[in-house]
Amino acid sequence: EPEVTQTPSHQVTQMGQEVILRCVPISNHLYFYWYRQILGQKVEFLVSFYNNEISEKSEIFDDQFSVERPDGSNFTLKIRSTKLEDSAMYFCASGPGQGNSYEQYFGPGTRLTVT
Amino acid sequence: GDSVTQMEGPVTLSEEACLTINCTYTATGYPSLFWYVQYPGEGLQLLLKATKADDKGSNKGFEATYRKETTSFHLEKGSVQVSDSAVYFCALRRDTSYGKLTFGQGTILTVHP
Repeated sequence: EPEVTQTPSHQVTQMGQEVILRCVPISNHLYFYWYRQILGQKVEFLVSFYNNEISEKSEIFDDQFSVERPDGSNFTLKIRSTKLEDSAMYFCASGPGQGNSYEQYFGPGTRLTVT
Repeated sequence: GDSVTQMEGPVTLSEEACLTINCTYTATGYPSLFWYVQYPGEGLQLLLKATKADDKGSNKGFEATYRKETTSFHLEKGSVQVSDSAVYFCALRRDTSYGKLTFGQGTILTVHP
């Protein structure tokens, strides 16, 4: 069964460094999302992406964040200058964009630790 | 804004016990409601959903009914198994089909033999 994959599973970085979290959505899906979950808190929406542009973003998704679909298969989240409070589990999701199923399919997540 | 509140956890049960995880929501319009489950080391998987009032979603023995009058979507199962041990998330989505999901805080369920 097709699945969303994310790499790396765990990323440790120092404050102020740039990180890129990578996701491979399900082939032929058209909608892409990033969510995050700070330890002990809710899963929060960051951004959605469709037709090569951001369709919606949250207040969390400020100028230090960016997303890209560089080659038609990967979907990346870049954090330019990480802060301690960026430590969280980051989930990528994709959706098919057709038919009656509006389900979002989630990856296993990348745990980001900022020291 | 939209919000989802789940009962405080964690929940610990013996096998074959009944399960209820409460979920209430606040949203304008007519959101769709979801339960997602996360098994250890895996991503969130859709467990069940309901798209309008009085709809009942069901899957793998779990059920939840969309109650607009009480703005609730409680998850129930009559007899839990050890394999049901996971984290359960209630979520809503506004009426746009590919809009963002708004999640509750998650409830850890542990089922002992």
